[in-house]
Amino acid sequence: TQLLEQSPQFLSIQEGENLTVYCNSSSVFSSLQWYRQEPGEGPVLLVTVVTGGEVKKLKRLTFQFGDARKDSSLHITAAQPGDTGLYLCAGAPWGGGADGLTFGKGTHLIIQP
Amino acid sequence: GAGVSQSPRYKVAKRGQDVALRCDPISGHVSLFWYQQALGQGPEFLTYFQNEAQLDKSGLPSDRFFAERPEGSVSTLKIQRTQQEDSAVYLCASSLSTVFRDTHNSPLHFGNGTRLTVT
Repeated sequence: TQLLEQSPQFLSIQEGENLTVYCNSSSVFSSLQWYRQEPGEGPVLLVTVVTGGEVKKLKRLTFQFGDARKDSSLHITAAQPGDTGLYLCAGAPWGGGADGLTFGKGTHLIIQP
Repeated sequence: GAGVSQSPRYKVAKRGQDVALRCDPISGHVSLFWYQQALGQGPEFLTYFQNEAQLDKSGLPSDRFFAERPEGSVSTLKIQRTQQEDSAVYLCASSLSTVFRDTHNSPLHFGNGTRLTVT
């Protein structure tokens, strides 16, 4: 079983602050995805990182895939209340195959105005 | 609609009842997944279909859970003799890709889920 540990589990900060959430595993993944989920809705894909060491930016969000393809981070600059949600990382099994993505338990992020 | 549609949105069942949850994937999507999401947790894989073939059902928690996709499009997740521990949100997702190595070219599209409450 490929486990993904996300930290912190909960984070509540003020608008305008910066934050980083982490996704760690002892397993290697062929790619890693970050999703954001709002209450009552399904997860929505934010980004996929594929290459070890890869950095992707999505406006104020910066995603990094670890060199060893076992971990990832999401950094948010100048957080806004609209960033509030459950952030999930999910790994695709190394070597491909039809198995489902392995999800972490998520980071519950609350940005207070 | 263009997205994955799930019905019903909410389902309340008495313990011991059977339930059926429906998923309409995006048209043309080959892969279909069912996930179970407990309150405050991440989704957990239940089963995977490639067209009408159920290629992986290793995540189904017991033989009370059964899923089908007879024509390679709409899928139904059935839970027999529901128990309180079955209470969760059941998410369906579809993808164009058949191999997860290509996930970056064909991401998962999730429905809004069915919230099942067993009383």
